[in-house]
Formats: sequence, structure tokens, C-alpha cells
Amino acid sequence: GAVVSQHPSRVICKSGTSVKIECRSLDFQATTMFWYRQFPKQSLMLMATSNEGSKATYEQGVEKDKFLINHASLTLSTLTVTSAHPEDSSFYICSARVAGGLTGELFFGEGSRLTVL
Amino acid sequence: QQQVKQSPQSLIVQKGGISIINCAYENTAFDYFPWYQQFPGKGPALLIAIRPDVSEKKEGRFTISFNKSAKQFSLHIMDSQPGDSATYFCAAFDSNYQLIWGAGTKLIIKP
Repeated sequence: GAVVSQHPSRVICKSGTSVKIECRSLDFQATTMFWYRQFPKQSLMLMATSNEGSKATYEQGVEKDKFLINHASLTLSTLTVTSAHPEDSSFYICSARVAGGLTGELFFGEGSRLTVL
Repeated sequence: QQQVKQSPQSLIVQKGGISIINCAYENTAFDYFPWYQQFPGKGPALLIAIRPDVSEKKEGRFTISFNKSAKQFSLHIMDSQPGDSATYFCAAFDSNYQLIWGAGTKLIIKP
């Protein structure tokens, strides 16, 4: 199946700093990528949907100025957590939809564990 | 209407047994029902999926049973193995290609 690479897998940062997480589709083009946040023992919570070359669509309650999403190419989307605080500590997961693929064909990255001290 | 209800929350099965996880939905516009498997510290991986025009789909030891009239679908894992221990999520796609997730089931297979 298609591979989605997410980097870094783990990151620890100080409060007030910004952290960038990359999501790459390695062997396919992804017109749409999704960013999720997952708390321990909970399901994935969709944060935003990003389409290549356009602004991301954020879910209700997600601060777009805090979670900056850039989908500059068909194979790369980035999530930047700006001025991170301890409450932003979480597991962030991206997924990508294959361009022209069947409805529902989503492939997930391995996730990025963010710890804000 | 947008919910997908998943049960049980956790499940313990003996090695070699059958693991069964159930999901129910309300929105008849859902047209694709995937199951994802997630190991601790990893992203979810697509396990198996079904469309509502099919009542059953089998891939190896994994089977989805789909009951369109009851708006229910379930995952059966035959001959469950310790390596199957993970959290399983059912999901449904709506017409806007939004993935609606179930709450997840933590499955533990006892050796």
C-alpha cells in the first residue's frame, strides 16, 4: 500500500517555542491531507483538512493561528504548532488521500508525539 | 446522525478464539466503512473496508459483516493471535469525504 512518512516521530520542546511536523506521501500524490490529534485512549480528532495549493479548512474549536498548516506540494504537508504550551502535548497524526483514488482510501503516517515542557 | 457507535470499549480473548467488535451508525449517506488497527505509539493502519452493497468481506482471518437494514457492521478476527492485540477503530465516510470515527476498542489476546 501507499506510504505516508511523518517526521519527527518524537519531539520535546520548551514552552513558547514552535514545532514543525512534516507529512510526506512517498510513492503517491496526495491532493488532500488531514491532520489529527489523538489523546491517550481516545479516538482521533480531526483538526484540519489541507488541499494542495489552498488554505486549510479547520475544524470547529481548532485555532488556525496556533496550528499552521501548509500543503505546498502534492507530496508534502506541514503542521506547525506555534508558541507551544504543555496543553499542546499530544500525538499528532497525518493522513493522505490518493489523488484520483477511491473514496475512503486514506493512508496514515506513523504519528508524531509532541511533549511540551 | 454523524456518530459511529463502537462496542465494546475493551475486549479480552483467548488465543485461537474469535474477536468480535461491533459498530452502528445512523447516517444512511455513509458509503464506505473501513476498520483501522492501531498499535501503541503508531498511526492507524487500514485493515479492511466494505461498501454497503456487500454484506460480507473476508481478508485472511479478518471478516467484516455488514447489515445495511440494521445500520450495523462488525469486525470478526478468527483464530486471534497475541500479535492482534491493538486498538481497533471502525469508521464511516460521509458524502463530504469526512471520516467519522468510532471510539475504539482495545483488544487483548491472551496467550
